[in-house]
Amino acid sequence: GENVEQHPSTLSVQEGDSAVIKCTYSDSASNYFPWYKQELGKRPQLIIDIRSNVGEKKDQRIAVTLNKTAKHFSLHITETQPEDSAVYFCAAILSGGYQKVTFGTGTKLQVIP
Amino acid sequence: EAQVTQNPRYLITVTGKKLTVTCSQNMNHEYMSWYRQDPGLGLRQIYYSMNVEVTDKGDVPEGYKVSRKEKRNFPLILESPSPNQTSLYFCASRGIFMNTEAFFGQGTRLTVV
Repeated sequence: GENVEQHPSTLSVQEGDSAVIKCTYSDSASNYFPWYKQELGKRPQLIIDIRSNVGEKKDQRIAVTLNKTAKHFSLHITETQPEDSAVYFCAAILSGGYQKVTFGTGTKLQVIP
Repeated sequence: EAQVTQNPRYLITVTGKKLTVTCSQNMNHEYMSWYRQDPGLGLRQIYYSMNVEVTDKGDVPEGYKVSRKEKRNFPLILESPSPNQTSLYFCASRGIFMNTEAFFGQGTRLTVV
């Protein structure tokens, strides 16, 4: 089955700086990679995703990059703000039939004002 | 409003006392899943359902049961809860053409003493 590793587990940045969270996956058949944000005490919410036929995707201050050869993908947050403080999860989706979602272990991001 | 509703939000129970956590969605989604979230382990899938009367085990099914008698409902049953099932539980749903978990419930914080 798929295995997703996520690093770092915690990350502190100054407001305005950039934050990068990295994930690696094991199964080359995975072809879809979403990212979730979970604020304290709340449910996970899908914030951005990338398909395996795309190398990079941006949405305002967040971007995701994918390196299929190396089997890793990253979340980049620029100009961080205190409201970006949350736990972020990456995930990898194995294609075919019911598409099982394998989540990373999460990164707790703290943006210091 | 599109939503996934879990109940209860918080539950403290004793070892061995059967309990049910309910999950209901109003989006006519085919797929529904249960996850547990533990510190440092991320979200791990317990069971999933592809449609009415179609369910299958996820990564950590031991000690849990589910049923899908109606499309909108997907209850999680703990026949004999144990302290190692103390966790935060999330129900999720998605439509058949969605690639990942799109909607999560509010979460159920379960403590087994």
